[in-house]
Amino acid sequence: DAGVIQSPRHEVTEMGQEVTLRCKPISGHNSLFWYRQTMMRGLELLIYFNNNVPIDDSGMPEDRFSAKMPNASFSTLKIQPSEPRDSAVYFCASSLVEHNYEQYFGPGTRLTVT
Amino acid sequence: KQEVTQIPAALSVPEGENLVLNCSFTDSAIYNLQWFRQDPGKGLTSLLLIQSSQREQTSGRLNASLDKSSGRSTLYIAASQPGDSATYLCALRRTFRAGSARQLTFGSGTQLTVLP
Repeated sequence: DAGVIQSPRHEVTEMGQEVTLRCKPISGHNSLFWYRQTMMRGLELLIYFNNNVPIDDSGMPEDRFSAKMPNASFSTLKIQPSEPRDSAVYFCASSLVEHNYEQYFGPGTRLTVT
Repeated sequence: KQEVTQIPAALSVPEGENLVLNCSFTDSAIYNLQWFRQDPGKGLTSLLLIQSSQREQTSGRLNASLDKSSGRSTLYIAASQPGDSATYLCALRRTFRAGSARQLTFGSGTQLTVLP
């Protein structure tokens, strides 16, 4: 398997623009997680899905953030409108209950909002 | 609320040394614990996963232990190499409760530098 795939790897955008981050989980995994990592706050869980259904989105910072998982092989995290304080690395991870929920991370998307 | 602490935040050792990274947690009701490695500018790589019922797991030069009663886990690295330089994070998964079983609580990590 190719592992968790994220795109784009780098994104530079201007404040106010819409940003869409994409994730393809490991085939067969039934849980998907979106994290944000910054120097100040470390790794923060934003939202996670189980069987394509959002289970806990309490980590989503504001209404400007939204996430979808239309099918088992694809998820998006959207920021609209983006702000400079959204600059961070965004990670997607997936896991499978039969593997004791061991999480596998994607390479991340480095977002810079100017 | 589960709190996970990793001390020290940074560690520098000469090549060849055996070393121990520490992880402490406040809530012993855990399902399992996962150790990750993160290289600069990269994602997290899973190193070892220890189930609540286990005391340790080994993979090559790495050995992770778990002591729920004391709220501690350690990652032992034998014969350290410069290639081991990275940030090491521990993360805990709570015991099952509706909606929470899959979430990980991360420590802030220990940045390890192995000097050649």
